[in-house]
Amino acid sequence: EAGVAQSPRYKIIEKRQSVAFWCNPISGHATLYWYQQILGQGPKLLIQFQNNGVVDDSQLPKDRFSAERLKGVDSTLKIQPAKLEDSAVYLCASSLDRGHNEQFFGPGTRLTVL
Amino acid sequence: DAKTTQPNSMESNEEEPVHLPCNHSTISGTDYIHWYRQLPSQGPEYVIHGLTSNVNNRMASLAIAEDRKSSTLILHRATLRDAAVYYCILRDLMNSGGYQKVTFGIGTKLQVIP
Repeated sequence: EAGVAQSPRYKIIEKRQSVAFWCNPISGHATLYWYQQILGQGPKLLIQFQNNGVVDDSQLPKDRFSAERLKGVDSTLKIQPAKLEDSAVYLCASSLDRGHNEQFFGPGTRLTVL
Repeated sequence: DAKTTQPNSMESNEEEPVHLPCNHSTISGTDYIHWYRQLPSQGPEYVIHGLTSNVNNRMASLAIAEDRKSSTLILHRATLRDAAVYYCILRDLMNSGGYQKVTFGIGTKLQVIP
C-alpha cells in the first residue's frame, strides 16, 4: 500500500516570497491533516479536512496560510508571504475517517525561509 | 484539553526492555491514550492506543494504570531502530465526533546504546 506522498521534500525561499506544498493521501482516506513542526517541538495541527470540507482550521494563520483539498483527494498548503518564523517541516497526514485512531504521516517538506 | 507529561529524554541499552512513562492526571473518562513515535527525519508513526485495558501489538505494549492517570509504553527488546521521539497523546473521539485534534507535546527522546 502506497503511503502519504508529499512534495517537494525541501524548499528554500526568501522572506515575503510565496510557496506551496502538495500532499497526496493514502487512497480512500477521507480525513487529511496538515501539521507544522518547528525544530525541537512536536507537530502542531494547522488544518484538518474531512473529504473536501474544513473541520478545524483554528490554528492556521489565515492572513498568510491557505489550504484546499479539491475533490476530496490531493491537498495543497500555501504560504503567502512567508516570514522567517515559518521555517519548519510541514507534515501531511491522512486517516481512514475522522474517528479512526491511526494517522499516517508523509515524510514532510522542510521549508527554510531566509 | 487534557495534557500529558513525559520525561524529555531516556536511555536504554540495546536488546533490553524500555519503559516510557506518561502522566495524564486530568484525563477524562472518554480520552483514549495514543502513542506515536518519530524517527529522525521522518514523519510520526502510530504505535499503539488504548482506553482502559492493557494493549499489545507487534510494535509494543501499553500498560494503563487502574486510575488511568498514567500509562507506560513498553518496548520489549530495544533495537537501534527504536531510537526516536515518543509522543503520548490524549484524544477524545467519543464526545467530539472524531474531530478533536491530535496535540503533540515535546515527547521523550529515546536513545538506544549499542
